[in-house]
Amino acid sequence: AQKVTQAQTEISVVEKEDVTLDCVYETRDTTYYLFWYKQPPSGELVFLIRRNSFDEQNEISGRYSWNFQKSTSSFNFTITASQVVDSAVYFCALSELTQGGSEKLVFGKGTKLTVNP
Amino acid sequence: KAGVTQTPRYLIKTRGQQVTLSCSPISGHRSVSWYQQTPGQGLQFLFEYFSETQRNKGNFPGRFSGRQFSNSRSEMNVSTLELGDSALYLCASSLELAGYNEQFFGPGTRLTVL
Repeated sequence: AQKVTQAQTEISVVEKEDVTLDCVYETRDTTYYLFWYKQPPSGELVFLIRRNSFDEQNEISGRYSWNFQKSTSSFNFTITASQVVDSAVYFCALSELTQGGSEKLVFGKGTKLTVNP
Repeated sequence: KAGVTQTPRYLIKTRGQQVTLSCSPISGHRSVSWYQQTPGQGLQFLFEYFSETQRNKGNFPGRFSGRQFSNSRSEMNVSTLELGDSALYLCASSLELAGYNEQFFGPGTRLTVL
């Protein structure tokens, strides 16, 4: 069965520091998608990125970057020059194709990031 | 374009009662999924509906049920509430095109069972 592990439960940094959130996944599927979501205190899950299993190119979006390494089954997320507004819980997720033909997300436990001024 | 909406946002119930939560997907989206989020278990998949049919169900007891209407709006029902049902219930909708379909989440309904 699919599994997503986020070993870091909580991380606290000072503003402007860089921070990396780790994500390790397990799957037997050859085709799958990986995701990162941000959950601010309001509770809504905000989509950050989707990565296809066949695309191992790293991606950068502003201060955010993602490092996908199939060889180590990892999909790590780095925030450069962190800001207080980055404080949230971040979830890594893996898509799982179900018997019904639909896809469901398998989430990690999340990493709570606190950025202090 | 309006996002996924969920009502109510907050709910307080007592043990043994039942509750119905509502989710309105993004216009044009036909698939609706439900997730339960608790501090202990994290985010767990409840079920998914497409064209008024349940396509998949997570590992939850029969007290948890749902349905989807012809306009794609979905409701989930929890009967005989237990303290452990206190959670944030998140709904997500997707367009359902060939290939992967990104799920857009609503703000959630926070249920407290006393």
